[in-house]
Amino acid sequence: EDQVTQSPEALRLQEGESSSLNCSYTVSGLRGLFWYRQDPGKGPEFLFTLYSAGEEKEKERLKATLTKKESFLHITAPKPEDSATYLCAVQATSGGSYIPTFGRGTSLIVHP
Amino acid sequence: EAQVTQNPRYLITVTGKKLTVTCSQNMNHEYMSWYRQDPGLGLRQIYYSMNVEVTDKGDVPEGYKVSRKEKRNFPLILESPSPNQTSLYFCASTGDGRYGYTFGSGTRLTVV
Repeated sequence: EDQVTQSPEALRLQEGESSSLNCSYTVSGLRGLFWYRQDPGKGPEFLFTLYSAGEEKEKERLKATLTKKESFLHITAPKPEDSATYLCAVQATSGGSYIPTFGRGTSLIVHP
Repeated sequence: EAQVTQNPRYLITVTGKKLTVTCSQNMNHEYMSWYRQDPGLGLRQIYYSMNVEVTDKGDVPEGYKVSRKEKRNFPLILESPSPNQTSLYFCASTGDGRYGYTFGSGTRLTVV
């Protein structure tokens, strides 16, 4: 069974204080790993897809990296507007459908 | 604007009264899914569809029905809602399962 574990559950940072969110996964074969951002009361917003170990993607203050067992979302010099819940999801190569398994998310609060 | 549109945004209903939550996408996507999101449980897939007339169960399909008669529409039907179906529901679509899903804004359902 595919599993996705995100840590920490919640993270509080001061503006400008860089940190990383972790996504550990267990899957028979990885088709892709996804990061989403979700604001309260809204649908998740797609950020990145990573396909193979060693791959990195960047967008503004966010950088996602991937190893064979986990992914990190690095947040550099965060701002209050980066406050949100960040979700990780994996798709397995087994089966013919593209069904992602989601983690429970990391709630990030950035204080000014 | 490329988007997934869900209606209604908020719904309060009584136990046993059949209801339908509509979902429409304007991106010509083949894949569509329904998720529910509950505190502490994260996003769980209810049903998904790989194309017109092709649907399959996700992780928590009990008490729900779906149909995919047209590519753009994927309604979620609760034949006899119960209080344990009180949740935040999201519809999502993707054109290529390797890439991230585009999510709707959500439907907050309360069953009393």
